[in-house]
Amino acid sequence: AQSVTQLDSQVPVFEEAPVELRCNYSSSVSVYLFWYVQYPNQGLQLLLKYLSGSTLVESINGFEAEFNKSQTSFHLRKPSVHISDTAEYFCAVSEVTDYKLSFGAGTTVTVRA
Amino acid sequence: DTAVSQTPKYLVTQMGNDKSIKCEQNLGHDTMYWYKQDSKKFLKIMFSYNNKELIINETVPNRFSPKSPDKAHLNLHINSLELGDSAVYFCASSPYTGSPTEAFFGQGTRLTVV
Repeated sequence: AQSVTQLDSQVPVFEEAPVELRCNYSSSVSVYLFWYVQYPNQGLQLLLKYLSGSTLVESINGFEAEFNKSQTSFHLRKPSVHISDTAEYFCAVSEVTDYKLSFGAGTTVTVRA
Repeated sequence: DTAVSQTPKYLVTQMGNDKSIKCEQNLGHDTMYWYKQDSKKFLKIMFSYNNKELIINETVPNRFSPKSPDKAHLNLHINSLELGDSAVYFCASSPYTGSPTEAFFGQGTRLTVV
């Protein structure tokens, strides 16, 4: 069975500074990887996903994540954050033959002016 | 149009009551899920249905019973509510390709048991 570890529970960052959220997964088979964002009092929205192909995936709002199979990681980065990026970020994994999407514990990103 | 909609958004009820949360998706997806998010924001899958068939049933008290009248609806009924059931419950759906390549989530139902 797959599992996900998000290494940082809280990440405070100043506006326009870069941010990296770390995610490691464990699985014995091939996986799909996801980052979801949850703004306060809202549901989860897909930020980006890795299914196959290029190991670097990007979102429309400047986030990117890189799949590293040897390190079983899928870290999320943004070179310059905005106040509006303040949210909870969840890394998730599913095995390619499984229906289950398993989530990490989440990372709270707080962007300050 | 809302893709995955849940009702109600907020639910406050007393211990021992029975309540239901409804979920509908208009995406034409085959698979639907219920997740529970606790006070520490940890998300745990509870159930999943594919074309009205139960495919995931995690270790959840049998007071929780999902019902899928058709593939666009997945409702959650909870009997004899307890304080520990207080949480945010999310419904989600995904297209069936043998794996949830993308899950679309509803806005959540915040259940408070008093």
